[in-house]
Amino acid sequence: AQSVAQPEDQVNVAEGNPLTVKCTYSVSGNPYLFWYVQYPNRGLQFLLKYITGDNLVKGSYGFEAEFNKSQTSFHLKKPSALVSDSALYFCAVRDRVYGGSQGNLIFGKGTKLSVKP
Amino acid sequence: NAGVMQNPRHLVRRRGQEARLRCSPMKGHSHVYWYRQLPEEGLKFMVYLQKENIIDESGMPKERFSAEFPKEGPSILRIQQVVRGDSAAYFCASSPVASNTGELFFGEGSRLTVL
Repeated sequence: AQSVAQPEDQVNVAEGNPLTVKCTYSVSGNPYLFWYVQYPNRGLQFLLKYITGDNLVKGSYGFEAEFNKSQTSFHLKKPSALVSDSALYFCAVRDRVYGGSQGNLIFGKGTKLSVKP
Repeated sequence: NAGVMQNPRHLVRRRGQEARLRCSPMKGHSHVYWYRQLPEEGLKFMVYLQKENIIDESGMPKERFSAEFPKEGPSILRIQQVVRGDSAAYFCASSPVASNTGELFFGEGSRLTVL
């Protein structure tokens, strides 16, 4: 069965330092991978996605993510964190081979990012 | 260009009452998805609809929950005889086409509290 794991409930980073939010996945076939961000009491905002091609994907607000097929990971990164990056981050996967609903994104439990001044 | 609109943003119901949550997709989007977010959990897929059709309801509870997306008007998620365990944030998302590569656009959510 398809699944996504975000092993860290919370990540704490000092402003200006690099940040990494981890995500691993388990799917049959090649995956389509997504990152979303959720600010308090708000909906999810799309950050970036990996479909094919270059393993390093660049997205909104200076975020990027690296697809690693051998490690089945898709970690979210940013070279220099901002206090305003503090939010809940969700990794999601949709199995390319899966023949079911096109809309069925499988989300991780989320990682709370806290960036301190 | 308005995004995905959900209302009400907050809804309080007593056990046994009905809850109706509405979602208007982005302009030009004909695919709607409903997700539920429980405290301390991620988002769980509930149902995927196109206009007048339910495409995938594999995530919907078997009883009390129903969804529709009529030809005219918003998509409705209906919960009958609510129980405390239904308390959650319900998110609607939309997309313009049925594509495994496309991202979904989410609304702000409807937060249901069952007393």
